[in-house]
Amino acid sequence: SAVISQKPSRDICQRGTSLTIQCQVDSQVTMMFWYRQQPGQSLTLIATANQGSEATYESGFVIDKFPISRPNLTFSTLTVSNMSPEDSSIYLCSVSGGPSGNTIYFGEGSWLTVV
Amino acid sequence: RKEVEQDPGPFNVPEGATVAFNCTYSNSASQSFFWYRQDCRKEPKLLMSVYSSGNEDGRFTAQLNRASQYISLLIRDSKLSDSATYLCVVNLPKYIFGTGTRLKVLA
Repeated sequence: SAVISQKPSRDICQRGTSLTIQCQVDSQVTMMFWYRQQPGQSLTLIATANQGSEATYESGFVIDKFPISRPNLTFSTLTVSNMSPEDSSIYLCSVSGGPSGNTIYFGEGSWLTVV
Repeated sequence: RKEVEQDPGPFNVPEGATVAFNCTYSNSASQSFFWYRQDCRKEPKLLMSVYSSGNEDGRFTAQLNRASQYISLLIRDSKLSDSATYLCVVNLPKYIFGTGTRLKVLA
C-alpha cells in the first residue's frame, strides 16, 4: 500500500483563521479523498481531489469552506477556512489502491482543535 | 435508515473469548465490503476485505450475506491487543463508513 504523509499532525487554531493541510503520497495515485471525523463520529467524505480540475464535493461541503488543490498525482491540500469550534475534527487524506484497486488507505490524520 | 449501521457497543469480553459484530447496509447495489480497525486517536487501518464466499485471516473471519444485506466479523481467541473500534465500510462505489463498534478485551 502507498505511504501517505500528512501535515500538520495536529494544531490548535484560533476561531476565524484558516489552516491548510498537506497530503503527500509516495507513489502516483489516481484517486485521492479527504475525510472528516468529528469527535465520537464516523468518517464523512468531504470531497474527491481531482488532479488538474476542481474537486468533487459531497453534500454539505462547499469549495469556499474547504478549498482543495491537487496539482499532481502525489500531492493534495485541504484548507479549512474561517474556522469555528464546530470544525474541530480529524481530517484524513486517503487514496484508493490495493490488489483490486478499490481498497482505501489513510494518512495518519490531522487533528485540529479550534478555540 | 442509515446507509451503514453498526451496534456501537462497547463489547466487553474476556481474553480468549469469541466475539462477533454485525453490520447492515441499505443499498443492495453495494459492490465491495471491508472491515477497518481504528485505535484511539489513530487513523483507520484495513483489517480485511469481505468476499462473497466469506474469508478468514488467522483469528478473524468475515462473512457477507447479500440477501439480508449484512456483513459480519468474528474474532476468535480475543487478545488484549484486539481492543479497538471496528468500522464496517461499504463501497457503493463511494465509500460509506459505519459509526464503528467498540471492543474492549479484558484481562
